[in-house]
Amino acid sequence: GAGVSQSPSNKVTEKGKDVELRCDPISGHTALYWYRQSLGQGLEFLIYFQGNSAPDKSGLPSDRFSAERTGGSVSTLTIQRTQQEDSAVYLCASSSGLQETQYFGPGTRLLVL
Amino acid sequence: GESVGLHLPTLSVQEGDNSIINCAYSNSASDYFIWYKQESGKGPQFIIDIRSNMDKRQGQRVTVLLNKTVKHLSLQIAATQPGDSAVYFCAENMKSGGADGLTFGKGTHLIIQP
Repeated sequence: GAGVSQSPSNKVTEKGKDVELRCDPISGHTALYWYRQSLGQGLEFLIYFQGNSAPDKSGLPSDRFSAERTGGSVSTLTIQRTQQEDSAVYLCASSSGLQETQYFGPGTRLLVL
Repeated sequence: GESVGLHLPTLSVQEGDNSIINCAYSNSASDYFIWYKQESGKGPQFIIDIRSNMDKRQGQRVTVLLNKTVKHLSLQIAATQPGDSAVYFCAENMKSGGADGLTFGKGTHLIIQP
C-alpha cells in the first residue's frame, strides 16, 4: 500500500481482556517495528522483525506482550490480560531494510478501563 | 536512562522566522540519526536523517547538523509556517544485542505564532 496502516485506530477494553493490534507495512518492506507512546512521552521501542523473525524480544514490557509476523508482511501485537498501564498509542513502522528510514503508521490508541 | 534528549520541551517562534531544535545523545557508537515530526493524533512523519559520516544535510527548508564531538544534533527549519507546528523528535539507532529499534527523545513542541 501507499503507507503503513494499523487497525483498529482506537480500542477501548476492560482490564483483564486480551487485545490484538494489527500492522500492515509498506509493500516490500522487510523490516517492521513496534513502538509504544504513552501520554506526553516519547516513543519506546518494543520489538522488530526482519522478515518473520524477531531476533530480540527484550524490549517487550512483560510476558503479557507478544508479537508475530507471518508471510513477511502483516504483524500483530497481542497484549494479554490488559492492565491500565498498558493504555498508550501503539505505533508500527516499516523500513526497506535494517538501518533504513522507518516510516510510521497512524497508531492504535488503546485505552484500558 | 534516557540516552537521547531535547534541551527545550517547548519552542515558540514567529511565523516566517527560522527555528532551531536541539538534541543531545549519549551513545557515541550511534551512527544514524533521524528527525521526526508528529502532529496531534498522527504517527511520526520522517523529516530528515543523517549518518555519522556527515556533519550536515539539507532538505527542503530543513537542515540537520551533527556534532559528534559533543554528541549534539540540531534541526533547523527555515521560514517557519503554521503547518510546522508539531512535536519534533530526534532519534538515534542504537544497535545493541541485535536490536534495531530507534531510541527517541521526549520531543520538543514547536509553536508557530502568527
